[in-house]
Amino acid sequence: EVQLVESGGGLVQPGGSLRLSCGASGFTFSSFWMTWVRQAPGRGLELVSIINQDGSVNYYVDPVKGRFTVSRDNAKNSLYLQMNSLRGEDTAVYYCGREDWGPDYWGQGTLVTVSS
Amino acid sequence: DVVMTQSPLSLPVTLGQPASISCRSSQSLVHSDGNTYLNWFQQRPGQSPRRLIYKISNRGSGVPDRFSGSGSGTDFTLKISRVEAEDVGVYYCMQATHWPRTFGQGTKVEIK
Repeated sequence: EVQLVESGGGLVQPGGSLRLSCGASGFTFSSFWMTWVRQAPGRGLELVSIINQDGSVNYYVDPVKGRFTVSRDNAKNSLYLQMNSLRGEDTAVYYCGREDWGPDYWGQGTLVTVSS
Repeated sequence: DVVMTQSPLSLPVTLGQPASISCRSSQSLVHSDGNTYLNWFQQRPGQSPRRLIYKISNRGSGVPDRFSGSGSGTDFTLKISRVEAEDVGVYYCMQATHWPRTFGQGTKVEIK
């Protein structure tokens, strides 16, 4: 059974940093692109970043470019999102997803709140 | 960026009756490889999204056959043949042909 478990969310002040993690199991992690999708409270979905199988290719949406960095450790079956210079508009539930021309499996999400 | 426009944004339905959601893209979703990467997701209250449909009309693993997708180019539709109580939630279309991937605004399905 495919499982994705996010962790690392919490309350952080504007300008602060946070590192999200996503542990994967139930599939060959190193064979799949992976993605981060966020959902602001009461709002829709926004795909934030995507990374290829060996971490050599990644893409970011404009609002997070230069501030967020996606990475992975295939030996640990883990996906990461380093978030720097956080802003109030980054407040959201962050989901990791297994990528198959769209996320076919999603984690339960981790809440990031940016507030003073 | 490709803009995905869903309608309606709210859809009250009667149990056992059909329902239909439209999704239109601001440009063609036909990829250079010939595929059209249009997905539909369901998000039940308090849950993570779940993929229902991929490549316009292919049902995901475990998705009931009352859900069907159709369309081409820039116009797509999700249909529920007979709505059940467990279908309450928000439905999103999403294109994966162009970067950045973009979602529709969501359609909230509720029981009348």
